[in-house]
Formats: sequence, C-alpha cells, structure tokens
Amino acid sequence: ETGVTQTPRHLVMGMTNKKSLKCEQHLGHNAMYWYKQSAKKPLELMFVYNFKEQTENNSVPSRFSPECPNSSHLFLHLHTLQPEDSALYLCASIGFGNASTDTQYFGPGTRLTVL
Amino acid sequence: GQSLEQPSEVTAVEGAIVQINCTYQTSGFYGLSWYQQHDGGAPTFLSYNGLDGLEETGRFSSFLSRSDSYGYLLLQELQMKDSASYFCAVRPRSGYSTLTFGKGTMLLVSP
Repeated sequence: ETGVTQTPRHLVMGMTNKKSLKCEQHLGHNAMYWYKQSAKKPLELMFVYNFKEQTENNSVPSRFSPECPNSSHLFLHLHTLQPEDSALYLCASIGFGNASTDTQYFGPGTRLTVL
Repeated sequence: GQSLEQPSEVTAVEGAIVQINCTYQTSGFYGLSWYQQHDGGAPTFLSYNGLDGLEETGRFSSFLSRSDSYGYLLLQELQMKDSASYFCAVRPRSGYSTLTFGKGTMLLVSP
C-alpha cells in the first residue's frame, strides 16, 4: 500500500466505448501524474497536474482526457481508443516542498485492453 | 534537457552481488532516485541520493557522484524475488518539474 489507489485494476473495452480511470491519493500531495507503460517499454509521462492545474501534456491524443477536480483525485477519461492504447496506466503523486526527497508514489495501475 | 542511460539487462545468480549503473546528462537536479518494478506491478521507491556518496538500505545500496555524472544501485545477497526492472530517475531543478526516468534495467536472478 503506497497511499495511492487506482480503479479499476483491469479494464477491457471496445474501440467505441467510453470509460474512465480513477486515481486517489491519501498522502496530502499536491502533484499527480498519469503514465502509460506498454509491454517491455519504459514509462511514458502523459499528464501532469500541480495544485489541480494541468502543467504538462506530453502530446497525448485527444481520445485521452484528464480531469483533476481536487488535489486528491485524478481521472483519465477514455473515448474511442485504439488497440495500441492497450497498456498499464499508472497514476503517481509527489509532495513538493521537501526537495531532500523525491519519492514518487505510484498506484497499482490499471491494466487496459482495447479490443 | 535530461537523459539517463542504463544497461537494458543484467543477469546474476542467487547470492551474488550486482551493480546497475546509471549515467546521466542533465543541467541540474535535486537527487538520483531508484525504483523497482516487478513484472505487471507498479514501480516502488527503493533509494534516494541527494548528496554524493553511498546510501545503504539493507541489501540495497545506492551511490551518486555528481562530478562524474554517474550513479549506481548495488544489490547484495541476491534473491530470486529481486528479479525485476530497476529505474533510475532525477527531478530537474526547474519549478514543479516531474521525475525523468531512465529506460530501466531488467535484472534476471537465476538459481
């Protein structure tokens, strides 16, 4: 248990479906991120939210839409995905203000399969 | 910009010692972190070096030399459960920036 939870843990969806991934952190952190990790590949940063404001969007297709209603919750809305979007989607959080440690806490991830 | 280089794969046997190197090119960062990720799981924090030198946490140690732009993770008394991917990461000194991860080193521990 890292203090970051993600639901669902597994998701299978068709290309015409709309679904949402949810992330919640109970650590009092003020930055939250979405990463994509495809099989045998490194982490790809997708979106960054600092103090609920989106500060980075790494050229992610518009079929992925993030939402951060407050500093504890982060969503990733999925719409008309492609099979190549099948991957492990990881949420992470970090608390700024203490530069002596840079521990980023990851959730367990959502394993997404697009048919 | 920042880039971190790690070997893609390392193999070792149980009980052995293995060192995973991380070389980097970055304009300035707070410290070097290491994360472990088992197949299908999420990355978990292992170690952090804010200053040059060696940090020891049980069987794992991490080292940083800013003058050499180099760090490493040392795993001792290897166990089968240590088979995983290991990532080094830095957070640049530029506002609310995110961690930059290396591509990871897959460690395979055999009996």
